[in-house]
Formats: sequence, C-alpha cells, structure tokens
Amino acid sequence: EPEVTQTPSHQVTQMGQEVILRCVPISNHLYFYWYRQILGQKVEFLVSFYNNEISEKSEIFDDQFSVERPDGSNFTLKIRSTKLEDSAMYFCASSSGSSYNEQFFGPGTRLTVL
Amino acid sequence: DAKTTQPTSMDCAEGRAANLPCNHSTISGNEYVYWYRQIHSQGPQYIIHGLKNNETNEMASLIITEDRKSSTLILPHATLRDTAVYYCIVRVNRDDKIIFGKGTRLHILP
Repeated sequence: EPEVTQTPSHQVTQMGQEVILRCVPISNHLYFYWYRQILGQKVEFLVSFYNNEISEKSEIFDDQFSVERPDGSNFTLKIRSTKLEDSAMYFCASSSGSSYNEQFFGPGTRLTVL
Repeated sequence: DAKTTQPTSMDCAEGRAANLPCNHSTISGNEYVYWYRQIHSQGPQYIIHGLKNNETNEMASLIITEDRKSSTLILPHATLRDTAVYYCIVRVNRDDKIIFGKGTRLHILP
C-alpha cells in the first residue's frame, strides 16, 4: 500500500540553525501539506501546496518557513533560523485531490531545538 | 470549519464495540463529517467520512443523525491497537486544511 515517508525521524539542532525536513508524498498525489504538533497539544496546519505554489498557509507559517518541491518526488519544509518553540513533531501529508480529499499522513519528524 | 464537540476520553473493553459520539450542531449543508485517529506519536490516520448517509468500511461505521447535528463512529470489535485519539472533523471536502480539535482519547481495556 502506498504511503507517505518522512526523513529524518528525529532531528536535533541548535537554536538559530537552519533545518530541512523531507517528505516523499504518495506518487500520484497532487496536494501536499505540512502540519506540526507540539508535545501534548493539537495537530496544527502549517501550509498547503499545489501546482508548485503555496495555496494556503497559517499564521504559524511566517517568513522563517518555506516549502519546496525540488523534483518530482520530494516535498521539503525549511526552517531558516530555528527557535526553541519550533520543537515539535512535523507531519507531511498528501492527497490526490479527488472529491473525497482524504489526506494521508507520514510518520512525522521529531524536531528538537536546543 | 464547523466546531465539533467530543468527550475528552472513553474506555471500551477489548472485543466490544466502541461508540464514539460527536456533536456538530452548526454543520453546513456542504460540509462532510470526517474521522481521523492518531495512535501515540504517529501521524493522523484517515478512518471514514460521510455527508448524510451512514457509511461503513473495513475499519469502522459512521452513523449520522437525520438532522446531521451529530454522528457516532463505531469500531465494531475494538482491539488494543485501537487505543488512540479519535478526531471528528467537519469540513467542505475540498478544503485544503484539516483543523484538528482535541479529540477523544479512547482506551481499550484488556
């Protein structure tokens, strides 16, 4: 069964450093998403991406964040200068854009900012 | 998205049916009811969705009241692996984002 994959599973970084979180969506999907979940809190929407551009973003997704689909398979989230409060699980999701718009989530990357 | 109300937590004995309620009294005519679950620290997993008819798949059944103001997710024979947080979400099916609430923490008891 096709699935969304994410690497790395755990990333530790120093405050102020740049990090790139990687995702491989399901191959025939057209819509891509990033969500995050701070420990013990709700899953929060960050950004959606379609046709090589951002279609919607939340207030959390400020200028420190960017997304890219550098090739036909990868979808990345970059945090330019990490802060302590960026520590969270980051989930990538993808959907085919069918009328049901079911989103398939990856296993997540745990980001720890020290 | 319409707001949903779910109990904070529920217990269910292994092998029994788990019935998870959700209130969505302000749901609009074009909004679907979706259910996702999140097993500890994993990514959310789609379970089922419906508009107004009851739905069933290999994982669960979804019962939506005639006035669509509430619904119930039924796991027919709960196992320990069904222990998770279950999210009831209402949204237009082409909405980009999913707005997750706090969900119901379901404990399956051996």
